[in-house]
Amino acid sequence: AQTVTQSQPEMSVQEAETVTLSCTYDTSESNYYLFWYKQPPSRQMILVIRQEAYKQQNATENRFSVNFQKAAKSFSLKISDSQLGDTAMYFCAFMKSQGAQKLVFGQGTRLTINP
Amino acid sequence: DTAVSQTPKYLVTQMGNDKSIKCEQNLGHDTMYWYKQDSKKFLKIMFSYNNKELIINETVPNRFSPKSPDKAHLNLHINSLELGDSAVYFCASSRIGDGAKTQYFGPGTRLLVL
Repeated sequence: AQTVTQSQPEMSVQEAETVTLSCTYDTSESNYYLFWYKQPPSRQMILVIRQEAYKQQNATENRFSVNFQKAAKSFSLKISDSQLGDTAMYFCAFMKSQGAQKLVFGQGTRLTINP
Repeated sequence: DTAVSQTPKYLVTQMGNDKSIKCEQNLGHDTMYWYKQDSKKFLKIMFSYNNKELIINETVPNRFSPKSPDKAHLNLHINSLELGDSAVYFCASSRIGDGAKTQYFGPGTRLLVL
């Protein structure tokens, strides 16, 4: 079974700083997908970024980028120029490319951006 | 305009009651999911339906029964509610053939069992 681990329960940075959230996973699959979802206080789950394991290039979406290290089974999220609206829970998630299409989530990291 | 909607958003009820949560998506997706988020914010899959067929049933008690009348709807009925059922329930949808495999979530239903 796949597992996802987020080792940082909470993080706090100043506005405009850069912050990196860690995620590691365990799987025997060779092809899969990785996601970061954001959950602000509104409770809505919002997709931040996704990565296909067969792609070597790290995904980027504006101020959000990932560092995908397949051999190390690591998938960290970097937020550049952090903004107050980035304050949220961030969840790392894994999905196999074949078979049951379920997301396996990490425990989440609560990120606070301070003014 | 809402892509994935759930009703109700909040549900407060007594132990032993039966309740339902409804989910609808207008994205044209063929697969829908129910996830449970517990008090520690941990999210776990409960069920998944593809074209009205149950494809994932993740060791959920029999008191939980999903029903999919069509591809755009997936409802969750819970019998004999227990205190431990208090949680936020999220519906999500995706397209199986979509290379990106992205699941889009509804706003969640906060269930409180007293």
